Amino acid sequence: QLQLQESGPGLVEPSETLSLTCTVSGASISDSSYYWGWTRQAPGKGLEWIGSSPYYGGAFHNPSLNSRVTISVDTSKNQFSLKLNSVTAADTAVYYCARQHCGGGGCFHFDYWGRGILVTVSS
Amino acid sequence: EIVMTQSPDTLSVSPGERATLSCRASQSLNNNLGWYQQKPGQAPRLLIYGASTRATGIPARFSGSGSGTEFTLTISSLQSEDFAVYYCQQYKNWPLTFGGGTKVEVK
Repeated sequence: QLQLQESGPGLVEPSETLSLTCTVSGASISDSSYYWGWTRQAPGKGLEWIGSSPYYGGAFHNPSLNSRVTISVDTSKNQFSLKLNSVTAADTAVYYCARQHCGGGGCFHFDYWGRGILVTVSS
Repeated sequence: EIVMTQSPDTLSVSPGERATLSCRASQSLNNNLGWYQQKPGQAPRLLIYGASTRATGIPARFSGSGSGTEFTLTISSLQSEDFAVYYCQQYKNWPLTFGGGTKVEVK
């Protein structure tokens, strides 16, 4: 059974870098049929896609985040990571990692999600 | 960026009744649309992909329809566990975008 688990600090100071890791178990992250993505949800708000990456790199990011996002994949650890720099209070949210189906030149829905991790930006 | 608009914001339905949720895209998606269910404190759960294909383990009372710019999620007979927030998501183009959600509440 595929499982994803987010980990990282729950509190980040303004202007610093938010760093999260998603550990994948039950499947190999080195499967070209999937991308690995991050989505967030501010308190009481809807879902916002952050970015997705294949295991070999070349991530797509949400342009609304003004190039503050880096997504990387570590195949040796079966993990992928999110870095969001220059954070503000507006980045306070639950961050979810998820697996995204890809194929035939396109990428599609997210079928497995982690449980999410709340990250608060505050001094 | 493709803008996704869901309606209504809130839908009040009695258990056993039918619920119909709408999702509109600002440009044609063909059938590149998914529906997710989210309960308080939980991650989203994939219900429907390809506009009309139920994900693994999803009960038959959930059905999706539509193509192009207009899509519908129908829950044929609401069960107690179906009261939740539902989101549509397009994956026709990057960036991926979600609708604002429809909350299905007990009438």
